[in-house]
This record gives sequence, structure tokens and C-alpha cells, in this order.
Amino acid sequence: SQQGEEDPQALSIQEGENATMNCSYKTSINNLQWYRQNSGRGLVHLILIRSNEREKHSGRLRVTLDTSKKSSSLLITASRAADTASYFCAPSDRNFNKFYFGSGTKLNVKP
Amino acid sequence: NAGVTQTPKFQVLKTGQSMTLQCAQDMNHEYMSWYRQDPGMGLRLIHYSVGAGITDQGEVPNGYNVSRSTTEDFPLRLLSAAPSQTSVYLCAGLKQNTGELFFGEGSRLTVL
Repeated sequence: SQQGEEDPQALSIQEGENATMNCSYKTSINNLQWYRQNSGRGLVHLILIRSNEREKHSGRLRVTLDTSKKSSSLLITASRAADTASYFCAPSDRNFNKFYFGSGTKLNVKP
Repeated sequence: NAGVTQTPKFQVLKTGQSMTLQCAQDMNHEYMSWYRQDPGMGLRLIHYSVGAGITDQGEVPNGYNVSRSTTEDFPLRLLSAAPSQTSVYLCAGLKQNTGELFFGEGSRLTVL
């Protein structure tokens, strides 16, 4: 399966700290995305990184991709209580026809 | 723009009943998809469509039917509900040039 697997399953930090979540996958991919899901809501796209990219930034988010290790990481710097949510990685094929979501990392940021 | 709209938000069915989960989008997405989300199992792709008149199976299609008669609508049908279909169902449209999925708020289905 190409399904992404996030690690850790749950993470609890204080506001202001950095949060790092990891994602591993099993086969070759063309793209990898990260999504956020607030409790009881749909998923919201955060960032896309392509297989020929190693690092990407968006605001307080930093994503890395290591295709040789089949892994990605999402770093949220200076976390806020509003960052409390579940975070999912989603490897996908070249044409974005199929996305392979993992079970997510549940992040709790304590004020 | 309303984006991707799912109805109903909540539904309780008895085993063997049928129903249709509705998904509508006003973002002109050619690609639409249905996922089910279960604790510890992540999101699993049920069916997807790359355009009107075209549908294909995902990872867990059994027990579900879809059709795509218009670009805007992508309904998911449960023909004979089973307790194993108790789940949260998420519909998503794709912005093809960015690869970004836009999700609805979800439909929570309980089958007794």
C-alpha cells in the first residue's frame, strides 16, 4: 500500500513550542501533501511538496521530503492553541488521481 | 462560493436500508472523490470520478455505488446498509492545477 503513516499518533506541547510530525510511505510517489483536520470538520490543505523538492516553507510550516528514505516531516514553529488539530500526510500519484491518507497525528497545543 | 457541500450531516439507518449521501460543488472541479474515515484507519478512498460520466473504484468500493451525471454532483449510494458502514464520509473535489483537495464537512452515518 502507498498509504502514508504518521508518527507520532499523538503529540502534546505547550504554546510557543515547535511541533514535528513525521510521515513514512512504502512506494515511489510523485507528490506528497499535508492536511489539517479540526475536530468534526473536513480536511484543509496545508502544503504540497513534489518528489523533486527537498524542502518547502509556508508561513510557520516547514515540510521536508526524503524520497530515498520514503519519508516526510512537517514542522510547525511557534505553535498556537489554534494549531490543535489532526494532521495527515497524503502521498499521491502524478495526476493526483489517488491520495493515500494515513491515520494522522493528533496535535494538542496547550495554552 | 459554497465550495463542497455534503448532506445530510448526520444519519442513522437500520441494517438493510438504502440511502444516498449527497455531494455538490460549485468550484468547477472535474475530479471528485469519496472517502470514509474510521478511527485508527485514516481516510480510505471509496470511489472517484475524473469527470462527468466517468467513475472508478478506490480502495474500499464494495457496498457503495456512485454516479456522475453532472460536474457539480457526485452522490454516494449505500444499497443495503451494514453496521460495518458506520463511519464518517468525506467528499472532496480536486483543483487539478495545484493538486489541492477541497473537502466537505462530512456526513456521519450510523448503521444499527
